[in-house]
Amino acid sequence: NAGVTQTPKFRVLKTGQSMTLLCAQDMNHEYMYWYRQDPGMGLRLIHYSVGEGTTAKGEVPDGYNVSRLKKQNFLLGLESAAPSQTSVYFCASTPGGGPEAFFGQGTRLTVV
Amino acid sequence: TQLLEQSPQFLSIQEGENLTVYCNSSSVFSSLQWYRQEPGEGPVLLVTVVTGGEVKKLKRLTFQFGDARKDSSLHITAAQPGDTGLYLCAGSTSGTYKYIFGTGTRLKVLA
Repeated sequence: NAGVTQTPKFRVLKTGQSMTLLCAQDMNHEYMYWYRQDPGMGLRLIHYSVGEGTTAKGEVPDGYNVSRLKKQNFLLGLESAAPSQTSVYFCASTPGGGPEAFFGQGTRLTVV
Repeated sequence: TQLLEQSPQFLSIQEGENLTVYCNSSSVFSSLQWYRQEPGEGPVLLVTVVTGGEVKKLKRLTFQFGDARKDSSLHITAAQPGDTGLYLCAGSTSGTYKYIFGTGTRLKVLA
């Protein structure tokens, strides 16, 4: 019973490098979300998706892109990483946009 | 823009004490959730409140949604070391699926 799985769990990038974070859920949920968590800031919504092939901007979308080509996967891309993107990234999914969100274990990203 | 403000930001108490954590906003929420997060893990849902004035209890935890659906509180009775963690409130405003999280309250219960 995997739930929401994020890969990788840890990554160190150099400024200007690109990378993609993968989120996979096996619960057939329609809605998926990407958040970043920084000390004292709680979780801030980056982008979200209300279904396969759709994406929308959240609170802090700049510097990130997303894609939802398959219902079970939600990808978060950083085209040119910056130190300000050092954070812990969490993916979440909900059935039908309902209030109970299931989270992955997070990806700790450091940009040097 | 952070719509949900939590207080206090940090709380360190002795086992057996009571505490209350607050979640406040100037916006009206259609529902509000409380999550607990432990180090190295994602947040885990504790409760959802949807009706203004609603009170829900989960063992020693009592959750209340404000009458105007702009604020909420979490009260823990006789705190235990196992209650240690980061408590987050979250909610969505009517007509959106954007779940916004609060700034978090980091609780430490000392044995």
